[in-house]
Order: sequence, then structure tokens, then C-alpha cells
Amino acid sequence: DTEVTQTPKHLVMGMTNKKSLKCEQHMGHRAMYWYKQKAKKPPELMFVYSYEKLSINESVPSRFSPECPNSSLLNLHLHALQPEDSALYLCASSQDPTRDLADTQYFGPGTRLTVL
Amino acid sequence: AQSVTQLGSHVSVSEGALVLLRCNYSSSVPPYLFWYVQYPNQGLQLLLKYTSAATLVKGINGFEAEFKKSETSFHLTKPSAHMSDAAEYFCAVSKGDSGGSNYKLTFGKGTLLTVNP
Repeated sequence: DTEVTQTPKHLVMGMTNKKSLKCEQHMGHRAMYWYKQKAKKPPELMFVYSYEKLSINESVPSRFSPECPNSSLLNLHLHALQPEDSALYLCASSQDPTRDLADTQYFGPGTRLTVL
Repeated sequence: AQSVTQLGSHVSVSEGALVLLRCNYSSSVPPYLFWYVQYPNQGLQLLLKYTSAATLVKGINGFEAEFKKSETSFHLTKPSAHMSDAAEYFCAVSKGDSGGSNYKLTFGKGTLLTVNP
């Protein structure tokens, strides 16, 4: 089973709202990722958690706040977003990139976010 | 620094024809290379990856890719296109950090494959 699940599938929010995206995997993977993907572009890495600790923050604005409550769950808290933040947000997980340079990332279906 | 270049943002083939999607890499060390497919409004799905075990890599859905060091290429092929192959395809290279971990995938810009009946 190589499934990564994401909820919700679609989210529409105003610029003053607070919302959260959720990602879950039950493959025992120790790394989890958030990506942002604009239309007709490749995914852009936002955050990486490894062993439940934040390992990489790609200079993402503070209106995006990641959280890793346990090894299976990854959240992305959203607050005061801008219309240009509208995109597909993808979650991924991988076994252990600290041990395997060819570690494969498995992606979820994404959350389509629209900021009004 | 590792990077990949996908030649052709859009490739159109007829059903049953050969599919060839091009990817060239730039890497100072032996790279780990991946091909992902993304169907409309979905996440990315791994098609295959190169890890230096074999230069010809077979993946899912009848796709394969050949690693050619002399040409710094990792082109994706499929002998006979099917309508269901229509999707966006991304080539990617993994990048290790100074600590020896690999967290980052560097993606190419993608190639949209359309299959005509």
C-alpha cells in the first residue's frame, strides 16, 4: 500500500479565514513533505519533516504553518492567505531520505485551494 | 548542482504510436533520476526510477527509460500509446544535502502528452 491521503479535496477560503490541510500516511515513512503546485508548473517544495522534526523550510511565508503531530500525520495551517496562494497543495511521504539517496516520494492527490 | 531539462513542453502522438519524452540531466555526481506522471486534478505517481542498478529501467503501464551517461539523458519511452496515457510527465533528479540526506527532488518543467485517436 503506497497511499497518501489528503483532506479536503477542495477548499475555498477568504483572506481573513483560518483553515488547515491534512495529510496522512500509514506506510511507516519517516519523512513527509508539503509542495505547492501552480497550474502548468512543477511542484515546488515548501516544507520537509523528518522523524517528526522540521528539516527544511524553503523560505515559505509565515501565513503557512506546518505541523507534524505524529509520524503518520502532517498538517498545514493557513491564515491570512493571498489570492496568489491559490494552488494545488500536495503532500508526499518517503521511507527515510537520511538513509537512501534514491528514496522515493509518494504523493497524495492534493488539495485544490482557492483564496478569494 | 543537479538539474533536469525536459525538451518539449507538449508532445502529441497518435494512439498506437511510439511515445518518446526527453529528459537531460546535469549532475556532478551519479544522479538518481525519476519519472512521475500526473493525471488531471491528481497527485504525482511514480512511473520509474534510476538508481544505477541497471541502465534500462522498466516501470509501470508499459513505460521504460534508459540512462545514457554519455548523453546525460534519461528519456522515457512506451512502444504503443494508449488514450489513457494522456497526462503531464515530470522528470526529476534527487539532490542530497551536505549531511548526506536526500530531501529534495528537482523537477523538470514537465511535458504534456496528448494522445489522438
